[in-house]
Amino acid sequence: GAGVSQSPSNKVTEKGKDVELRCDPISGHTALYWYRQSLGQGLEFLIYFQGNSAPDKSGLPSDRFSAERTGGSVSTLTIQRTQQEDSAVYLCASSPSRVTEAFFGQGTRLTVV
Amino acid sequence: TQLLEQSPQFLSIQEGENLTVYCNSSSVFSSLQWYRQEPGEGPVLLVTVVTGGEVKKLKRLTFQFGDARKDSSLHITAAQPGDTGLYLCAGDGSGANSKLTFGKGITLSVRP
Repeated sequence: GAGVSQSPSNKVTEKGKDVELRCDPISGHTALYWYRQSLGQGLEFLIYFQGNSAPDKSGLPSDRFSAERTGGSVSTLTIQRTQQEDSAVYLCASSPSRVTEAFFGQGTRLTVV
Repeated sequence: TQLLEQSPQFLSIQEGENLTVYCNSSSVFSSLQWYRQEPGEGPVLLVTVVTGGEVKKLKRLTFQFGDARKDSSLHITAAQPGDTGLYLCAGDGSGANSKLTFGKGITLSVRP
């Protein structure tokens, strides 16, 4: 597709379950970001991938959160043993290089019940 | 860590009013970007400012980059309900492993 694609668009899960969120960046974009956004709030940085460099994981809130980017393209954000406070919109963005314009997906709305 | 402080956090104004919002940091940025996010959507880039003192206009929106490249402002003339949204600024860091750093955003509501 032409833009950043995230799936699923909505996810409802029971507390304690694991979830996987997927991001398909724009083809050729080397930088990929994951952010979390609570209702009415700004962006909370989670993790950043740039090319073959080691990812910047400094924003991951706990060891229940992990992410990988396979082949420099698709990325998966995994949340283990979900908690109610994990409920939020998870946004993915990609960029042609390190600090040029970030193109965002429409996000995955995660609800933990 | 390079932080961007945006102010005010929330702003509610009447259609037709003018407003200015701010994005400030103690760090120098090579460039700074402004994004707008509408409900249910991801943020979309409005403008990138690169040169200290630069002013860019996008219809009724005027963006300015501070001379020292540490701060930026966004002025909206004659605000309209369609301007409602979350306005985010983002700055690029320095160094090979730096990344875009976003502020927390300014929630603007323009009442008809």
